[in-house]
Amino acid sequence: QVLLVESGGGLVKPGGSLRLSCAASGFNLSDYSMSWVRQAPGKGLEWLSYITSTGTITSYADSVKGRFTISRDNAKNSLQLQMNGLRGEDTAVYYCAREITIFGELISNYFDPWGQGTLVTVSS
Amino acid sequence: DIQMTQSPSSLSASVGDRVTITCRASQSINNYLNWYQQKPGKAPKVLIHAASSLQSGVPSRFSGSGSVTDFTLTISSLQPEDSATYYCQQSYSTPPTFGQGTKVEIK
Repeated sequence: QVLLVESGGGLVKPGGSLRLSCAASGFNLSDYSMSWVRQAPGKGLEWLSYITSTGTITSYADSVKGRFTISRDNAKNSLQLQMNGLRGEDTAVYYCAREITIFGELISNYFDPWGQGTLVTVSS
Repeated sequence: DIQMTQSPSSLSASVGDRVTITCRASQSINNYLNWYQQKPGKAPKVLIHAASSLQSGVPSRFSGSGSVTDFTLTISSLQPEDSATYYCQQSYSTPPTFGQGTKVEIK
């Protein structure tokens, strides 16, 4: 069974740091690019960051660039998100998601599966 | 960034009704359009990818169509378990962006 499980969320003060982890099982993490996506309470989905299968290429949303760092440990089947300089507007459920790319008659690129999410609350 | 606009923001329909949700991209995204379903307290789940490809295991009452900038998600016969929020997402360019969501309620 393909599964992603996030951990590391919690309550942190503004300006603080938190490190999220995403444990993958049921597949080889090293075969896939991965992303982090968040959802503020009652709001929509916001993509945050992406890392290629080998970790050589990363990309960030402008809202977190310079504050968040994505990384991975393929040997441990694990993805991380280091979050520094946290702000109130970073309060959200954070999801990790596997990127699927299919080359065929149509090219598909989508997120599947998603983890269950971990809640990060930034408040004094 | 490519802006994705869904309509309506919410709808209420009866079991058995045909439901249509639209998604418009601010520029051409070819067919790089995905649809997700999210139930309260749960992670999103992919329904449709590449605009019209039904994800394995998803009921055939769900279908997607469209290309370039205009896309549609159709539920042919609404079921009680379809009560959820639906999001479109473009994967044409980075950053991938989502529509604001359409909440579907059962009358």
